[in-house]
Amino acid sequence: DTAVSQTPKYLVTQMGNDKSIKCEQNLGHDTMYWYKQDSKKFLKIMFSYNNKELIINETVPNRFSPKSPDKAHLNLHINSLELGDSAVYFCASSHGVLGLAGDSETQYFGPGTRLLVL
Amino acid sequence: AQTVTQSQPEMSVQEAETVTLSCTYDTSESDYYLFWYKQPPSRQMILVIRQEAYKQQNATENRFSVNFQKAAKSFSLKISDSQLGDAAMYFCAYSEPPFSGNTPLVFGKGTRLSVIA
Repeated sequence: DTAVSQTPKYLVTQMGNDKSIKCEQNLGHDTMYWYKQDSKKFLKIMFSYNNKELIINETVPNRFSPKSPDKAHLNLHINSLELGDSAVYFCASSHGVLGLAGDSETQYFGPGTRLLVL
Repeated sequence: AQTVTQSQPEMSVQEAETVTLSCTYDTSESDYYLFWYKQPPSRQMILVIRQEAYKQQNATENRFSVNFQKAAKSFSLKISDSQLGDAAMYFCAYSEPPFSGNTPLVFGKGTRLSVIA
């Protein structure tokens, strides 16, 4: 059983195109995240959602628009793709519920989506 | 802002030997969590071990253990009996309450570990 899944795993596209990356978690978590890993392997938060509500929106171009149709899904849509958007994008989830016994603080990651913009 | 520093971009270890990866962090909080994640060539991010700041006892998971020095803000990872499958990028990460999306993981830049047969 895949805990956090992302589709597609690879995405090659031309500059100026619009693309989406989908994320689903079957862990019953309340909080989901998008991270970007650049060419130097550095990981940085882009967005976080809790119960479908946007919590964190880092200084990401507004060409990036996350959407959470329900607690189990967090999709990332990117408009007008640029060369600099080439990276690996990771979805993650956590319980994110204060007081929940056990593992509320640990984030579990999807397999990543490697995006290459030509 | 919290920062995480991994001062060793690359490390290598002989198979079956022990290696220690360093991590330091900066925070003014007293309650937080620290993590080590492993990223093999498959690029999957795999949780290796986690430590709660208010627990004095160092976390262990099989061959993986940490040396958590709260006063020094140091969180090193020791891998014993290294195996070829341990070769990967290792990321140290920090997070603090609440965990409802307000406090994402802050990552170090990673240490690439090679295991020599």
